[in-house]
Amino acid sequence: QVQLHESGPGLVKPSETLSLTCTVSGGSISNSFWSWIRQPAGKGLEWIGRLYSSGNTNHNPSLKGRVTMSLDTSKNQFSLRLSSVTAADTAMYYCVRDKYSAWEIFDYWGQGTQVTVSS
Amino acid sequence: EMVMTQSPTTLSVSPGERATLSCRASQSVSSDLAWYQQKPGQAPRLLIYGASTRDTGIPAKFSGSGSGTEFTLTISSLQSEDFAVYYCQQYNNWPPTFGQGTKVQIK
Repeated sequence: QVQLHESGPGLVKPSETLSLTCTVSGGSISNSFWSWIRQPAGKGLEWIGRLYSSGNTNHNPSLKGRVTMSLDTSKNQFSLRLSSVTAADTAMYYCVRDKYSAWEIFDYWGQGTQVTVSS
Repeated sequence: EMVMTQSPTTLSVSPGERATLSCRASQSVSSDLAWYQQKPGQAPRLLIYGASTRDTGIPAKFSGSGSGTEFTLTISSLQSEDFAVYYCQQYNNWPPTFGQGTKVQIK
């Protein structure tokens, strides 16, 4: 059973960089593709980006190039960095596994970590 | 970006009854449509993908149908654990996008 767990600061100042890590257990990160999804309180879900087992990434163009994602196979972790954050980036952030390489279908989710952007 | 529109926003259903949720895509997504269930304080859970294929361990009371732009999630004989918010998501067009959700509440 794959399990994912997000970690990182719960409070980030405006204009700074949000950094989150997802630790995967029950499977190797090298064998799957991974995504980040966020959800503002009381609102819907937004896909942030995808990380391929090769280390290649793509991300939602709505985030205007502020997204960096990376893999650390030695720790079975992957990470998200979102730069120049504003209050609009306040949300619950989920790391998820993509069920298939060809499609963004999300079958395993972390429990989520709340990130608040505030001075 | 593909817009997914779910209706109704809120659905009030009595326990034991059936719920029918709709999802409409702004253009065809073929059958590349997934449904998720989210309970308060929890992460979403994948129910259905490919418009009608239940994920592993999902009971047969959840069924999906549709293709192109119109999709339906049907939940038969609702029990207390089924009252939640349901999201549809398309993965045919990049980037993947979600509907705004339908809250299924007890009538």
